[in-house]
Amino acid sequence: QKEVEQDPGPLSVPEGAIVSLNCTYSNSAFQYFMWYRQYSRKGPELLMYTYSSGNKEDGRFTAQVDKSSKYISLFIRDSQPSDSATYLCAMRRDFGNEKLTFGTGTRLTIIP
Amino acid sequence: NAGVMQNPRHLVRRRGQEARLRCSPMKGHSHVYWYRQLPEEGLKFMVYLQKENIIDESGMPKERFSAEFPKEGPSILRIQQVVRGDSAAYFCASSPGSNQPQHFGDGTRLSIL
Repeated sequence: QKEVEQDPGPLSVPEGAIVSLNCTYSNSAFQYFMWYRQYSRKGPELLMYTYSSGNKEDGRFTAQVDKSSKYISLFIRDSQPSDSATYLCAMRRDFGNEKLTFGTGTRLTIIP
Repeated sequence: NAGVMQNPRHLVRRRGQEARLRCSPMKGHSHVYWYRQLPEEGLKFMVYLQKENIIDESGMPKERFSAEFPKEGPSILRIQQVVRGDSAAYFCASSPGSNQPQHFGDGTRLSIL
């Protein structure tokens, strides 16, 4: 069983829709949670960085962490064609343990 | 305000040759991380370095792979006697310190003939 599970998709939604992306994990030691966006042939770009449970909002993006369920989500409001990319969740353990564990990524396409 | 710079972007080697991948961290960043991405798989951690020190190499294969981050110059990931299974995208990330977000370069795509 992988430590981090992420539905690979592909996921296609019409422009303007709300997108929901999710990951589950099995290691309760994970404390820091991230979402990265990766365009084709490019490196991952950090979108959201959160600690422990709760919500964090940044523009059209909202990250949610539910540690009791070992479940994290990324919501994208008013989706745009430029949001079409692969979205990677990542997480790591406590202070001093810098290794990131990634999901396999969800490929998202926003249809104009 | 340059980000993490990796070169070369593409590298082709024949089996048995050596591959050297270079990474210059963002300005002000002294922590470097290397990850490998195989097709249809997520990024896998390889090694974490600070200047002149290897902090965590738990993801590095035991043989043929090595990494360094010298006092001057870029971090180097070195793969000796490459095999077909080494074909992958290798990404470098950097951060200004411990417990800080990691920012990635655009990777080096290594192909083994």
